[in-house]
Amino acid sequence: DAEITQSPRHKITETGRQVTLACHQTWNHNNMFWYRQDLGHGLRLIHYSYGVQDTNKGEVSDGYSVSRSNTEDLPLTLESAASSQTSVYFCASSESTKGEQYFGPGTRLTVT
Amino acid sequence: EDKVVQSPLSLVVHEGDTVTLNCSYEVTNFRSLLWYKQEKKAPTFLFMLTSSGIEKKSGRLSSILDKKELSSILNITATQTGDSAIYLCAFLLQGAQKLVFGQGTRLTINP
Repeated sequence: DAEITQSPRHKITETGRQVTLACHQTWNHNNMFWYRQDLGHGLRLIHYSYGVQDTNKGEVSDGYSVSRSNTEDLPLTLESAASSQTSVYFCASSESTKGEQYFGPGTRLTVT
Repeated sequence: EDKVVQSPLSLVVHEGDTVTLNCSYEVTNFRSLLWYKQEKKAPTFLFMLTSSGIEKKSGRLSSILDKKELSSILNITATQTGDSAIYLCAFLLQGAQKLVFGQGTRLTINP
């Protein structure tokens, strides 16, 4: 069955370190998205991609970067982790012609 | 700036009650509204509503979009403890594939 996976599921890191969160989908979807979820804020869009080599900034992109070298993967990199980036991160994907997005299980990141 | 507000933020009811969750918006040029249910993990898709205003139903859940009132409601009848979750609404913008989410309503069903 097609699915979307994230790794690691839990990560603890120190301030200033570079961290990469992986997202892999086997739906063959063109669109992929990264969100963070914090209490009181719902889901906020970090970066998104509509296809290979395409990346776009979302509403909370500062301190994060993504790259899209193939259809299946959209890794999210925190260049220099900050305590304000402690959050739960969700990856999602969708077909080009449909609006509904399908979410991965999430990664809980703690920056100490 | 596009904005989505959900109310109430939190709701506690007894099993068997009917609940109505509200999603209001200030979104220019939206294409569709989506509802998601989030239990302990990832959000799962419930409904997509278009601007045509047609009600969508799935078992005990139903939802409708009111363009005049700039809002949508999600109704759950005969609630069960398994309905306890965070319910998120989101807008799909015209000409884009990205979603703008509300902050969610945390629903707790007590036995």
